[in-house]
Amino acid sequence: TQLLEQSPQFLSIQEGENLTVYCNSSSVFSSLQWYRQEPGEGPVLLVTVVTGGEVKKLKRLTFQFGDARKDSSLHITAAQPGDTGLYLCAHSYHKLSFGAGTTVTVRA
Amino acid sequence: EPEVTQTPSHQVTQMGQEVILRCVPISNHLYFYWYRQILGQKVEFLVSFYNNEISEKSEIFDDQFSVERPDGSNFTLKIRSTKLEDSAMYFCASRRGDGYTFGSGTRLTVV
Repeated sequence: TQLLEQSPQFLSIQEGENLTVYCNSSSVFSSLQWYRQEPGEGPVLLVTVVTGGEVKKLKRLTFQFGDARKDSSLHITAAQPGDTGLYLCAHSYHKLSFGAGTTVTVRA
Repeated sequence: EPEVTQTPSHQVTQMGQEVILRCVPISNHLYFYWYRQILGQKVEFLVSFYNNEISEKSEIFDDQFSVERPDGSNFTLKIRSTKLEDSAMYFCASRRGDGYTFGSGTRLTVV
């Protein structure tokens, strides 16, 4: 079983601050995906990272895939209350397997 | 934008009763999935379905669970005799390539 460990479990910050959440594993992945889940909704795909060392940007969100393809990070610049949610990393091999997620709360 | 539709959004059932959760995947997607999320826990894989048959299932997906694609558009999850521990959010997902699209889920409460 290829486990994904996400940290921190919870993160609460003030609007305008930056934050980084992490997704780590001892396994090597061909790709990793990041999802955001709001309460009462299903996960929504944010990005797929494929190449070791890859950096992808989605507005104020920056995703990085580790050189060894074992880990990934999500950095949010100048967080806004609308960024509040559960951020999940996942790997796909015939099915999606999720980490436990980081619950991010951005206070106005 | 195409979406995965799930009904009902909430279902309350008595222990031992059968429930059917319904999903309409995106029309040109080929792979279909059911996941569940117990309150405060991670999203867990239940079953995948491709070419009108189960391609993979987890340990959670025991004999009490079944899936069906009865008419080429709907994709259903049946729980034959619900238990208290089946209370969870159930998410349907479909995909064509690498991108998975999830529905908004059905909140199942077993009392």
